[in-house]
Amino acid sequence: GDSVTQTEGLVTLTKGLPVMLNCTYQTTYSPFLFWYVQHLNEAPKLLLKSSTDNKRTEHQGFYATLHKSSSSFHLQKSSVQLSDSALYFCALSVLNYNQGKLIFGQGTKLSIKP
Amino acid sequence: EAGVTQSPRYAVLQEGQAVSFWCDPISGHDTLYWYQQPRDQGPQLLVYFRDEAVIDNSQLPSDRFSAVRPKGTNSTLKIQSAKQGDTATYLCASRHRASQNTLYFGAGTRLSVL
Repeated sequence: GDSVTQTEGLVTLTKGLPVMLNCTYQTTYSPFLFWYVQHLNEAPKLLLKSSTDNKRTEHQGFYATLHKSSSSFHLQKSSVQLSDSALYFCALSVLNYNQGKLIFGQGTKLSIKP
Repeated sequence: EAGVTQSPRYAVLQEGQAVSFWCDPISGHDTLYWYQQPRDQGPQLLVYFRDEAVIDNSQLPSDRFSAVRPKGTNSTLKIQSAKQGDTATYLCASRHRASQNTLYFGAGTRLSVL
């Protein structure tokens, strides 16, 4: 079945360093990938999305590229800030059926230290 | 534009008690989702509607959980006899048919079952 894997449960970094959060997915259909960010006690909010192979998408300093050859959509940022501390979820929607059904990974908690 | 509104924000129950969660989606959004999010985990889909029709409720524990969206706008999720394992945040999300599968989430209801 369709699934999303995020390998890191917790990532702790010092402010100003780069980060990459891993996301791989599995589906036999055409994928649409998303990154959502959830700050403490808030709703998940859309950060990035893409269905285009090998095209970088960016928002608020974060970027990701969908690579269908490796089934990956890793999230990156060149210099993290204290305000980036949050839960980050990778999610998959397939375009050929159940349109709009979003399957989430387990999430990665990003903790930024001063 | 108003976002997705959920109430209550918090609920604390004893095992065996009943509880209802209410969701008001973004105006004009035809699709509405209920997700269950255990602490520090990814959201897991319980049920979703397109207008008033249930599209997928395969992950809804039907013996104790029920969900309705009678007029295709607001929705109610009910737990008939809560168990400690139901402790989680219950998220409602909505989507417009033209939104490229982008979901907008409410802040959620945090449920604790003692």
